[in-house]
Amino acid sequence: QKEVEQNSGPLSVPEGAIASLNCTYSDRGSQSFFWYRQYSGKSPELIMFIYSNGDKEDGRFTAQLNKASQYVSLLIRDSQPSDSATYLCAVRDTGRRALTFGSGTRLQVQP
Amino acid sequence: DAGVIQSPRHEVTEMGQEVTLRCKPISGHDYLFWYRQTMMRGLELLIYFNNNVPIDDSGMPEDRFSAKMPNASFSTLKIQPSEPRDSAVYFCASSGAGGEDYNEQFFGPGTRLTVL
Repeated sequence: QKEVEQNSGPLSVPEGAIASLNCTYSDRGSQSFFWYRQYSGKSPELIMFIYSNGDKEDGRFTAQLNKASQYVSLLIRDSQPSDSATYLCAVRDTGRRALTFGSGTRLQVQP
Repeated sequence: DAGVIQSPRHEVTEMGQEVTLRCKPISGHDYLFWYRQTMMRGLELLIYFNNNVPIDDSGMPEDRFSAKMPNASFSTLKIQPSEPRDSAVYFCASSGAGGEDYNEQFFGPGTRLTVL
């Protein structure tokens, strides 16, 4: 059973701080990694994807991947109250288009 | 493009009734996915199609669930008979085969199903 594990939270950070969201996965065959944001009552929307070891930056967001440790993280710099949402980590295996999602981490940014 | 369209947005039915959920993917997308989201199990894949052909239905919970994609612009997910444990939000998502759309699955607004 392929698993994607996330701390459910809530993770509470003050406005302007760095929020660090973590995810581990069980299948070494996983090749691509995704972070989705889901506001309450809404559908998931893609923030970033990463498939190479190291860091990938997009604006205030940085995804980090360590395949040896089977670990992927998302850093949100200068956190804003509008970042308060559930963040879903997802993985995709080579040759398979579907995603396996973690249960999500709820982030609360306190004004 | 209007994005992925799902209908109905909300469905309340009684146990034993047939439920049909509908999805229109983004025009030009080759892949269509059906997911189910519950508090207990999170977001889980039910089935996905490529060019209207089912590729992986290993997530379909049991024979009460069936999905079809008769053409590139329409898919249905049917539950017959429905049970209270089927209560969940059902998402349809689509993605393209290449280019910028390759990595992103675009989710529809979801159908919130309540089975009494």
